[in-house]
Amino acid sequence: KAGVTQTPRYLIKTRGQQVTLSCSPISGHRSVSWYQQTPGQGLQFLFEYFSETQRNKGNFPGRFSGRQFSNSRSEMNVSTLELGDSALYLCASSLEGSPDTQYFGPGTRLTVL
Amino acid sequence: QQQVKQSPQSLIVQKGGISIINCAYENTAFDYFPWYQQFPGKGPALLIAIRPDVSEKKEGRFTISFNKSAKQFSLHIMDSQPGDSATYFCAASMNNYGQNFVFGPGTRLSVLP
Repeated sequence: KAGVTQTPRYLIKTRGQQVTLSCSPISGHRSVSWYQQTPGQGLQFLFEYFSETQRNKGNFPGRFSGRQFSNSRSEMNVSTLELGDSALYLCASSLEGSPDTQYFGPGTRLTVL
Repeated sequence: QQQVKQSPQSLIVQKGGISIINCAYENTAFDYFPWYQQFPGKGPALLIAIRPDVSEKKEGRFTISFNKSAKQFSLHIMDSQPGDSATYFCAASMNNYGQNFVFGPGTRLSVLP
């Protein structure tokens, strides 16, 4: 069974640009969550999608947005990039109501110059 | 109140020794407490998890001890091996409404051969 895949794995952008990251969940998993990981702030929850609806949202500015498609694939978008957005962005998928089935992808390393 | 505190920040243990990592939380609504293991370049992977209706859970060399009244839980790694060298994160969530994990800051474990 294929794991969670994230594309691209590495990305370099400059301040002010926008970026879109993609996540393909494990087959059958309809819940997709996004996290930001930085050395200073650790792992922070961005948002969670289920059945194409945002169900939970973390404490991030509106520049961070996401969506989920009917096949459960998800994208997150960051507009007007800032230097502080440099981080590892992790996607996780799980079965509904079953946190023991949450699996993380390898992440997308975003560097903002 | 959403914070999860974790200590120590780093830990060095001899092969065969016991590694102990502690976490504390404030929000009594949390009802699911997982531990994740992360190797460099990889996403976190679920190691073991516990719910507050039990005080201890053991899976192989890994044990979670849970103290509901003190709002604390800990991970014990018995017979630590060099392959256990990784960063460990405790987390907490309220599982009645989607996947929204609050992570501790992480503990970098080094097991010396």
